[in-house]
Amino acid sequence: GQQLNQSPQSMFIQEGEDVSMNCTSSSIFNTWLWYKQDPGEGPVLLIALYKAGELTSNGRLTAQFGITRKDSFLNISASIPSDVGIYFCAGPTGSSNTGKLIFGQGTTLQVKP
Amino acid sequence: EAQVTQNPRYLITVTGKKLTVTCSQNMNHEYMSWYRQDPGLGLRQIYYSMNVEVTDKGDVPEGYKVSRKEKRNFPLILESPSPNQTSLYFCASSLPDLRVPDTQYFGPGTRLTVL
Repeated sequence: GQQLNQSPQSMFIQEGEDVSMNCTSSSIFNTWLWYKQDPGEGPVLLIALYKAGELTSNGRLTAQFGITRKDSFLNISASIPSDVGIYFCAGPTGSSNTGKLIFGQGTTLQVKP
Repeated sequence: EAQVTQNPRYLITVTGKKLTVTCSQNMNHEYMSWYRQDPGLGLRQIYYSMNVEVTDKGDVPEGYKVSRKEKRNFPLILESPSPNQTSLYFCASSLPDLRVPDTQYFGPGTRLTVL
């Protein structure tokens, strides 16, 4: 079945540094979603990407929909301690943007003050 | 306040003893879904529902049942739990189009241990 692979699996960075992570798939996605999960909480949708090549920002977060439609990237600029958490990419399978969702295994981010 | 509630939040049970985890949302969302989260595997979808009386299998439906008799409720049923169903479970609700930010809500999670 379809799978999403995220890298790196974990990151430990200094406050103020920029962060990059990516998500790849062997099959095409029509939508990419990026979530953040704070410790002890459920995931929260950060950014949704709708078409190949699209670049979308949400504050210090920027995500890109890869032109091959098989990958996506998330960048965090000037990291702060509250950026700590697990970041997941996800995508709806099938032809519509509803229903069945698959998630990557997550990138765990730790920020040292 | 818009929210998804799950009960119980924590449960320890034994193999074979039927259990139900409830999920309720107050946003009149059509779409609801259940996920399990295991270390190193991310979230895996168990079942989802596009509306009342409409349910479909996700990636890992084996050993689980769901029902959607009312729009607000989407219980997860484990008829005969086994230790490999020990996990952290999340319920979520949203508008039918998953791409719309600020319209997806996850519950706080239910940590289930099956001995």
